[in-house]
Amino acid sequence: GAVVSQHPSWVICKSGTSVKIECRSLDFQATTMFWYRQFPKQSLMLMATSNEGSKATYEQGVEKDKFLINHASLTLSTLTVTSAHPEDSSFYICSARDAGRPSSYEQYFGPGTRLTVT
Amino acid sequence: GENVEQHPSTLSVQEGDSAVIKCTYSDSASNYFPWYKQELGKRPQLIIDIRSNVGEKKDQRIAVTLNKTAKHFSLHITETQPEDSAVYFCAARYNTGNQFYFGTGTSLTVIP
Repeated sequence: GAVVSQHPSWVICKSGTSVKIECRSLDFQATTMFWYRQFPKQSLMLMATSNEGSKATYEQGVEKDKFLINHASLTLSTLTVTSAHPEDSSFYICSARDAGRPSSYEQYFGPGTRLTVT
Repeated sequence: GENVEQHPSTLSVQEGDSAVIKCTYSDSASNYFPWYKQELGKRPQLIIDIRSNVGEKKDQRIAVTLNKTAKHFSLHITETQPEDSAVYFCAARYNTGNQFYFGTGTSLTVIP
């Protein structure tokens, strides 16, 4: 149980275009999901907290107009990188909390999406 | 937010020896501290976690200790095996919004 999927697993896009990444909780409902970015040989950096039915909360320094987050259902959050540039190339990972286990602090991680901007 | 520091950044041990990785956090309100193992290009895998009301937790060869007063926690791996080689991350849960803030990572190499 507690499986999180991401789609696509990898994507290559041209500079200036937008790309959408999906994060799905497959066997549980998630009112809260999180988006992280991980550059090579670096740590996971929290970008934003995605809340079902409300606006996302962005970490300091993360441009909300560039990284659009939509959490329209209890099992799906999307991250859209708008006007992507080569410096946005990274490994994007989502995680989700199980809404059916409010006393559990565990986050379940997706397999990640490798974004390359050319 | 929370600030988590992790040391060392790299660690090499002989097979069968123990490995210790240490983390410190800044916000005394943080109340949950998971440890993850991540292989290249893969998702982080939870290996052990501890809540702030507990001082120590053990699961076979892996243990975590927490010192709330000093705001630091450590991962202990005993009888290391080559398959333990990976990058390990600590994290701290920010109590207000459930966010996790990660340490900088430790690349562990177990030499056969």
